[in-house]
Amino acid sequence: EAGVAQSPRYKIIEKRQSVAFWCNPISGHATLYWYQQILGQGPKLLIQFQNNGVVDDSQLPKDRFSAERLKGVDSTLKIQPAKLEDSAVYLCASSLIDATSSYNSPLHFGNGTRLTVT
Amino acid sequence: GQQVMQIPQYQHVQEGEDFTTYCNSSTTLSNIQWYKQRPGGHPVFLIQLVKSGEVKKQKRLTFQFGEAKKNSSLHITATQTTDVGTYFCAGPIKAAGNKLTFGGGTRVLVKP
Repeated sequence: EAGVAQSPRYKIIEKRQSVAFWCNPISGHATLYWYQQILGQGPKLLIQFQNNGVVDDSQLPKDRFSAERLKGVDSTLKIQPAKLEDSAVYLCASSLIDATSSYNSPLHFGNGTRLTVT
Repeated sequence: GQQVMQIPQYQHVQEGEDFTTYCNSSTTLSNIQWYKQRPGGHPVFLIQLVKSGEVKKQKRLTFQFGEAKKNSSLHITATQTTDVGTYFCAGPIKAAGNKLTFGGGTRVLVKP
């Protein structure tokens, strides 16, 4: 099966600029996640979708970050305006089963977008 | 803050030696997952443990879930250079709505 597709692979922007990332999950995976991974740390969940609805966005800095999954398939994550501390790898992942249950389906990650804010 | 902790943060291993990395949670977990991230790569799912005291093996890797389901370990025997990478454990934290929460990872470096 095709994996999780993400683009772009790399992005360099200046602070206060805006940026958008795109993700296409594995076909048939209802749950889609955006994680932020700062260098040397574990992935941190930003937002989780179940089909086209938001399940959890409690750790999303909503004053500057937004995400959507309008048709329940692909998703975009936007940052506007970017800050220096947003420099990180943004990972999209998808899973087969409803991740709000106590049994968690394994996550399939994309290659990520490495964002550098100067 | 993160409620899943991993030790050690770094592990320098001589090729051919064994080592163990540990994952601890502040709360009981219904299940725990392990992922491996190669340098420059993305996390790749390795295994999931569900039962108390469960032990699973994948070739030279042995995964264990604690009896109280609050800790887990990964033991690698006869380390090879292909084992280089960061190993993450992740578990659903009830206080966070069963969100899969990742530990900080153990970065493994292998000396040939």
